[in-house]
Amino acid sequence: AQRVTQPEKLLSVFKGAPVELKCNYSYSGSPELFWYVQYSRQRLQLLLRHISRESIKGFTADLNKGETSFHLKKPFAQEEDSAMYYCALSSGGGFKTIFGAGTRLFVKA
Amino acid sequence: GAGVSQSPSNKVTEKGKDVELRCDPISGHTALYWYRQSLGQGLEFLIYFQGNSAPDKSGLPSDRFSAERTGGSVSTLTIQRTQQEDSAVYLCASNPRGRELFFGEGSRLTVL
Repeated sequence: AQRVTQPEKLLSVFKGAPVELKCNYSYSGSPELFWYVQYSRQRLQLLLRHISRESIKGFTADLNKGETSFHLKKPFAQEEDSAMYYCALSSGGGFKTIFGAGTRLFVKA
Repeated sequence: GAGVSQSPSNKVTEKGKDVELRCDPISGHTALYWYRQSLGQGLEFLIYFQGNSAPDKSGLPSDRFSAERTGGSVSTLTIQRTQQEDSAVYLCASNPRGRELFFGEGSRLTVL
């Protein structure tokens, strides 16, 4: 069965510190992985997708098929990064997308 | 419209009443999703429509929940005999096949 696991419900770091939001998945095929972000009072939006291999707002994520992980990283957290982050997996011919439980990131001044 | 539109944005109802939530996806998007967002539960998949295929209803929590999509566009999520545990934000999203999801602002349902 498909599953996305985000083990941390809340992550609190100081401004300038590195941050890593963990995501593990289970899927028997070749999934497509995403990170979505929801800032306060805004709608949920795409942050990045693994096939793009790009850095968005300083965030990167590498798909590790051996560990079935897609952790989100940023070397120096900023206060404006405070938000809810969801890891998502899109699979199958119909590209159904499921989400993890989310991690709330709080960056302290 | 330019984005996914949901209505109502807020709905307060009494336990036992039926509610309907509406979603207008982005024009041309073949896929439409409903998710439920609640504290501690993250983003829970409810139902997925893809073109003319039969919908994937595997996430609907009980038979009180149903959804339809008319003409491959607008979708309505109906919750019958609402319960307090149905209180949540109901999010709709659409996408072109296999691409990123575009979300609406959600409908916040409060069941008293």
